[in-house]
This record gives sequence, C-alpha cells and structure tokens, in this order.
Amino acid sequence: GAGVSQSPSNKVTEKGKDVELRCDPISGHTALYWYRQSLGQGLEFLIYFQGNSAPDKSGLPSDRFSAERTGGSVSTLTIQRTQQEDSAVYLCASSSYLEDEQYFGPGTRLTVT
Amino acid sequence: DQQVKQNSPSLSVQEGRISILNCDYTNSMFDYFLWYKKYPAEGPTFLISISSIKDKNEDGRFTVFLNKSAKHLSLHIVPSQPGDSAVYFCAASGGSNYKLTFGKGTLLTVNP
Repeated sequence: GAGVSQSPSNKVTEKGKDVELRCDPISGHTALYWYRQSLGQGLEFLIYFQGNSAPDKSGLPSDRFSAERTGGSVSTLTIQRTQQEDSAVYLCASSSYLEDEQYFGPGTRLTVT
Repeated sequence: DQQVKQNSPSLSVQEGRISILNCDYTNSMFDYFLWYKKYPAEGPTFLISISSIKDKNEDGRFTVFLNKSAKHLSLHIVPSQPGDSAVYFCAASGGSNYKLTFGKGTLLTVNP
C-alpha cells in the first residue's frame, strides 16, 4: 500500500516568510509524528498526534511552530516568520495504535535564505 | 544532552564481511530500541527492533544485541552487501513515551 507522503519535497523561502509543510500518513494509522533533522544531527522530535489531538507538543522549538491534523489523517506543520536556523529536513512518520515502529515519509527539505 | 549516542560517524567494510554498528544510551527509562536505515533523499526505513526483555533479535542478515547493564546495543549485518551502504540510526523509546530519541547516525559504506 501507499506509504507516508510529504509535500513539497523541497522548499526555499526568504527569512521572515511563513511556510506550510504537509504530511499524508499511511491510511488507518492513528499516530502521526513530526521530526526534523538539521545538518549533521540526528532526528529531533517536534510533535505527536493521536487522532486529531496533540498530547505532546514539547518538541516544538518556539511559538513560531504549530501543527494541526484534521480528520485523523493529513497534518500540516506551519512555521511562521522563518529564520535561517529553521533550515532542516522535516520528516513525518505514522504508526498504527498497536505498533511501536514508525514509518517515515521522504521529508521536506526547507532552506531559509 | 544526548540520550542516544552513536560514536562512530562512519564505518567502512568489505563486501561479505561483518558490519557492526554501535549505540549507547543514557536514559534507563528506555525499553524499546530500533534501528533505521536511511538512503540519501529518502526517509528512514525501519530495519529491526528489540524490546528490553530480550538481549537478541535476529532477522535474516540483521541481528541486534542489547546489553542493558552497559546501556549498549549493536547491529550486526552479515554478510554485508554493497546495497547496505546507507546511514544507520539507532533510536529508543521508553514506557508510555512513544516519541523516538535518535542518535546522530553512522554512515556505513560496503565496498565491493
């Protein structure tokens, strides 16, 4: 079946602009996660959704970052007033309620100039 | 502070030989460990996992070993193949903590 998809695959934006990143999880997966990978770093947890609610937003680095999930499916990560340090690959993952393994999308490479 | 550490940024092995990738962790609450493999421009792909109630899990050419007392796990790939060349990430989660904590990754190169 279809895996996790993310769009866009690449995004270049000017400092100060807002960006929206989209994630389509695997059909039927109730859990959805956002991570980011900065250059030379491991993956850093941002936010977790169970259904439409986000019980853990602890990884969001600032209030410029927000995310929502509608219909228990698609999620959007929004970064307002982007800064150069926001440049990274943003990865989305999903998992079913009974599984511990998370399945990742290909990521969105964000470059803030 | 880095709770999951992969101290070798890179590893090079000959085709057919064994690859051993290492990972150390500091958080004693971690009870589930995973290895992911990542090719350039792709997301990480789940490879193999192990629960803290076990000390070994095997899947084909891949075996993960867990030493809880040393807070250390390793991934063995034997025999190594050129297609195994990728970045390997160690990840851990604990208790009701669903989120994964990742190491920085080890770049494995398998030479033909």
